[in-house]
Amino acid sequence: EVQLVESGGVVVQPGGSLRLSCAASGFTFDDYAMHWVRQAPGKGLEWVSLISWDGGSTYYADSVKGRFTISRDNSKNSLFLQMNSLRTEDTALYYCAKGGYYDILTGYYNWGQGTLVTVSS
Amino acid sequence: EIVLTQSPGTLSLSPGERATLSCRASQSVSSTYLAWYQQKPGQAPRLLIYGASSRSTGIPDRFSGSGSGTDFTLTISRLEPEDFAVYYCQQYGGSPFTFGPGTKVDIK
Repeated sequence: EVQLVESGGVVVQPGGSLRLSCAASGFTFDDYAMHWVRQAPGKGLEWVSLISWDGGSTYYADSVKGRFTISRDNSKNSLFLQMNSLRTEDTALYYCAKGGYYDILTGYYNWGQGTLVTVSS
Repeated sequence: EIVLTQSPGTLSLSPGERATLSCRASQSVSSTYLAWYQQKPGQAPRLLIYGASSRSTGIPDRFSGSGSGTDFTLTISRLEPEDFAVYYCQQYGGSPFTFGPGTKVDIK
C-alpha cells in the first residue's frame, strides 16, 4: 500500500524558514516524480513544485520560485521542501503527492494527509 | 500559465440526480493532460479521472469525463450520498500545473 507521510509543519514568523519532509513507502520511490501541492485554509488547491524521479529536473509555481527548493533523497525514500522568506500567504496545508512512473506529466494517484504551515507574527 | 475556470461554483442536487460540472481552460489543453479530483472535508484529494476521460483505479463508472481543447466536463450519472464533495479540474501538460477553483456539489 502506498503511504505518504508529511511532517515539519509549524507556526513560523514572516521571513522565516522551514523544511517539510515527506516519507514514502509502498512503492519504488526512485521510479516516480513527486509533487508538493498546498491548500490555504478554506481555499482551493495550488500546485507548488515538482521533482523528477532522479532529482535532475525541478519546477516551481511563480508564487514560490526563488524562495522554495524541492529535493529528494532516494536512499531514504524521502521528499523535501525547503521554504525560505516565508510570507503570510504561504499559510496552508502542504500535501506531497506521487506523480508518474518515469513521467512528469501525470495526475497524482496518491496523496499524503498534509502538514500545516502557519506563517504569522 | 493556463488558467482553469470551473462552473458552477456550487451545484445543489438531490441523491439520484445527474451532476454536470464544467472546466474551461484559457488556452487549449491536450486531453491527455486533464484530470479531475474529488475532495471531501478533512481529506486529501482523490484522483477520479485522468487523460480527460479515463477513470482512475477503483472509481465507480457513474463518474465520467469528456471534452477536448478548452472545454471539459465531469458527469456523475446518479449522485450517491458519498459524492457530495468539492471537485477540482487540473491540467498537467506543463509547468505550472494549474488547478481550477473547484465546484462544490452539495445536497439540495
